[in-house]
Amino acid sequence: KNEVEQSPQNLTAQEGEFITINCSYSVGISALHWLQQHPGGGIVSLFMLSSGKKKHGRLIATINIQEKHSSLHITASHPRDSAVYICAVRWSGGGADGLTFGKGTHLIIQP
Amino acid sequence: EPEVTQTPSHQVTQMGQEVILRCVPISNHLYFYWYRQILGQKVEFLVSFYNNEISEKSEIFDDQFSVERPDGSNFTLKIRSTKLEDSAMYFCASSRDYSFTDTQYFGPGTRLTVL
Repeated sequence: KNEVEQSPQNLTAQEGEFITINCSYSVGISALHWLQQHPGGGIVSLFMLSSGKKKHGRLIATINIQEKHSSLHITASHPRDSAVYICAVRWSGGGADGLTFGKGTHLIIQP
Repeated sequence: EPEVTQTPSHQVTQMGQEVILRCVPISNHLYFYWYRQILGQKVEFLVSFYNNEISEKSEIFDDQFSVERPDGSNFTLKIRSTKLEDSAMYFCASSRDYSFTDTQYFGPGTRLTVL
């Protein structure tokens, strides 16, 4: 079965640190989504990528299609960035599988 | 800013009962989705809906589940005979353009507890 793997599972860092969260997947994709899940459970879409790099404020997402890998970076991290960050992919090849989600990276930014 | 809304926020039901979870997608969006997240587990895709019919569904979405867009604004998920293992957070989402390769906007979720 096709899988999405995220690392690390848990990450604790100090305010101001540069954060990197990784996502790798097993076969070709047509799109990759980065999502943020707040402690209360709500989900916010951060990025949708099919190639290259996207930036929004302090968040940067990159994808390397050949290596089947994506990274989410947070610059100048802040305690309000504490959340679970989830990678989800749309497999290419015409399947009808919706999105496949990773287990998430639980990020805590300490003041 | 437009947002996806869901009601109720929390539903408690007895095993075997029918439940209907309601969602109001963003008004100019064309694609609608249901996902679920069992406590402590990853989010799972259930179903996508476009042009008044199901476009994709997962293995989880069996005959006890159904979706409907009964009017121009609501999008519902019905579970006919709830089981204990249906207890989860259910998220509705919508997107304007092509399914899964456009940004999806998620509702706040409905927590379903089956006793």
